[in-house]
Amino acid sequence: SYELTQPPSVSVSPGQTARITCSGDALPKQYAYWYQQKPGQAPVLVIYKDTERPSGIPERFSGSSSGTTVTLTISGVQAEDEADYYCQSADSSDTYPFGGGTKLTVL
Amino acid sequence: QVQLVESGGGVVQPGRSLRLSCAASGFTFSSYAMHWVRQAPGKGLEWVAVISYDGSNKYYADSVKGRCTISRDNSKNTLYLQMNSLRPEDTAVYYCARGGADYYDISGYWRSGGMDVWGQGTTVTVSS
Repeated sequence: SYELTQPPSVSVSPGQTARITCSGDALPKQYAYWYQQKPGQAPVLVIYKDTERPSGIPERFSGSSSGTTVTLTISGVQAEDEADYYCQSADSSDTYPFGGGTKLTVL
Repeated sequence: QVQLVESGGGVVQPGRSLRLSCAASGFTFSSYAMHWVRQAPGKGLEWVAVISYDGSNKYYADSVKGRCTISRDNSKNTLYLQMNSLRPEDTAVYYCARGGADYYDISGYWRSGGMDVWGQGTTVTVSS
């Protein structure tokens, strides 16, 4: 089955830039999406179609794509950004897998 | 406001069945694909199934294929997930989510967009 690979954890200090990567063979052919999930809450879409930001999501969240890797960048990280982040995409077998998730720790 | 409310979760014995429901409001339900996503305790998100806006396309994760059926009633603004032959590994919080803007990939196949609205989830526990 198709897999998306994320680092298990990323740590940054407040005000710094956090970058979370997601790798998958189908990413050049399919859009990627990013979700933020805080403990006990449902996920929230923060980036869609690789680079687009939904209304209400702060401008410090951005997405980029290069080959088989997509990246979620959080500029000027704030304490409230501490959460789990998941990438998600589609694959040729009509499934919509998630990456394993990355725990962002704000030091 | 746009809202999804899941129901139907509970404690069930292995091998039994359960039907989850997801009531939608605040948007034109019949215009959107819908997904089910689950999260086992302490684990990551796992996509379960998707159904197109009109119910004509349905796709499943390998882990539930043959045991689960996704369906919808657009007249009732409701999404369903029928789960049969339940296993302990099906224990999870089950979320319904609205599919974002559909698109056609470079091969011309229909794809649902990302999940832009989520419910709060309903908990399914499979245990004897």
